[in-house]
Amino acid sequence: AQKVTQAQTEISVVEKEDVTLDCVYETRDTTYYLFWYKQPPSGKLVFLIRRNSFDEQNEISGRYSWNFQKSTSSFNFTITASQVVDSAVYFCALRGGMDSSYKLIFGSGTRLLVRP
Amino acid sequence: DTGVSQNPRHKITKRGQNVTFRCDPISEHNRLYWYRQTLGQGPEFLTYFQNEAQLEKSRLLSDRFSAERPKGSFSTLEIQRTEQGDSAMYLCASSLHLQGLGTEAFFGQGTRLTVV
Repeated sequence: AQKVTQAQTEISVVEKEDVTLDCVYETRDTTYYLFWYKQPPSGKLVFLIRRNSFDEQNEISGRYSWNFQKSTSSFNFTITASQVVDSAVYFCALRGGMDSSYKLIFGSGTRLLVRP
Repeated sequence: DTGVSQNPRHKITKRGQNVTFRCDPISEHNRLYWYRQTLGQGPEFLTYFQNEAQLEKSRLLSDRFSAERPKGSFSTLEIQRTEQGDSAMYLCASSLHLQGLGTEAFFGQGTRLTVV
C-alpha cells in the first residue's frame, strides 16, 4: 500500500523564522514521484515541486528548499525567512511509478500560520 | 484565467437531493481527475478520464456517484440522493499526457458541497 504521513497538523511561526514541514512516505514501488502542493485559503492547490525517486539531490528555489532522503523515506520542505503570504495548508503527495493513472496519494496536510 | 474552472464554487443542498458539478479543464489537457477533500484531510482520488474514456474509479465512488466527460472536454460529477457524509470539497484537476509521459496536475478551486 502507498501512504503519505504528515505528522504536523499545524505550525505557527513568526514572520522571518525558518520552518520545516515533514513528510514521510511508504511505497513498494522502486520508481515513484513525490510532490508538494500549497493550498491557500482560496482552496486551489498550487504545484510547488516534483521529485523522482532516482534523484536525491536537494533542491532550492528562492526561499523554498526540499530535502529528499530515501533512507528515511522522507521528503521534507523548508521555508526560509517565512512571510505572511506563506500561510496556507501544505500537502505532500506520492505517485507510484507503476500507476499509469498518475493519480496522487496525498498526506493530510500541515497548516502553516505565519504571524506578522 | 486559462486554468481549470469549476462551477459552482459552493452548493448547499438538502439531503436526498441530486447535485451536479462541472469542471472545465485546461483546453489542451487530455486527462481529467476528480478528487474529494474532507475537512482537515488531503484530497482523495475518485476517478479519472483520458479524453472521453473513464479509465479508473476509486472504491470511494459509490453507486450514487457518476462522472462523465462526453466530448473529452468538460466533465460533470453527479451525486444522487445526497447524504450528509457527501459534504466535502470536490476538486478537479487536468493534465496532458502524450506518449506515456504526463505533465503535472493542475487543480481547480473546487466545489464545496454542504448537505443539510
